Amino acid sequence: AQTVTQSQPEMSVQEAETVTLSCTYDTSESDYYLFWYKQPPSRQMILVIRQEAYKQQNATENRFSVNFQKAAKSFSLKISDSQLGDAAMYFCAYRSGGTGNQFYFGTGTSLTVIP
Amino acid sequence: GAVVSQHPSRVICKSGTSVKIECRSLDFQATTMFWYRQFPKQSLMLMATSNEGSKATYEQGVEKDKFLINHASLTLSTLTVTSAHPEDSSFYICSAVLGTVLYGYTFGSGTRLTVV
Repeated sequence: AQTVTQSQPEMSVQEAETVTLSCTYDTSESDYYLFWYKQPPSRQMILVIRQEAYKQQNATENRFSVNFQKAAKSFSLKISDSQLGDAAMYFCAYRSGGTGNQFYFGTGTSLTVIP
Repeated sequence: GAVVSQHPSRVICKSGTSVKIECRSLDFQATTMFWYRQFPKQSLMLMATSNEGSKATYEQGVEKDKFLINHASLTLSTLTVTSAHPEDSSFYICSAVLGTVLYGYTFGSGTRLTVV
């Protein structure tokens, strides 16, 4: 099975500053997808950003961007101009290519935004 | 966008009773539904994969006779926790596969089960 590792159980950032959350994964597959999900106190899982492994260009969604290093199997999330609403648990996730495949989640990083 | 409705959001039951959790895909057909369990401050652990019209596939260590999963239609999957015990208290989340891989999953809002 694939493994996803998030080495930062907790992170904090000042409001309006930038923070980077780390994620590494282990796989022998060539076709896969990577995701960052946000889980606020409501516990609803919210998709933040996704990256197709075959794409070299890093994905970007407004204030959220990733640094995808395929050879290093690294997939970090950068949050720019942090807002209070960004405070949540963030999960990195891996999914094999194709349909109907399960996610493998990391252990999560709890992000605190300091006003 | 695609929505998965999960009910109930919270449930408290007595030890020994059974509890049913429902997940409905409101505007799409979910041929595959996944059921996760999440302990406090921990990650989501896959319990089982549910495919419409066939038996669910359970992950190693998950008791299939305790966690009954039914996926009788393309829009409804249910998880029944039978003979619940306090150690079954947890947060249960369903998710459905959308039509295209790029969109990943859509998650239900979760059910907090407390067994007393």
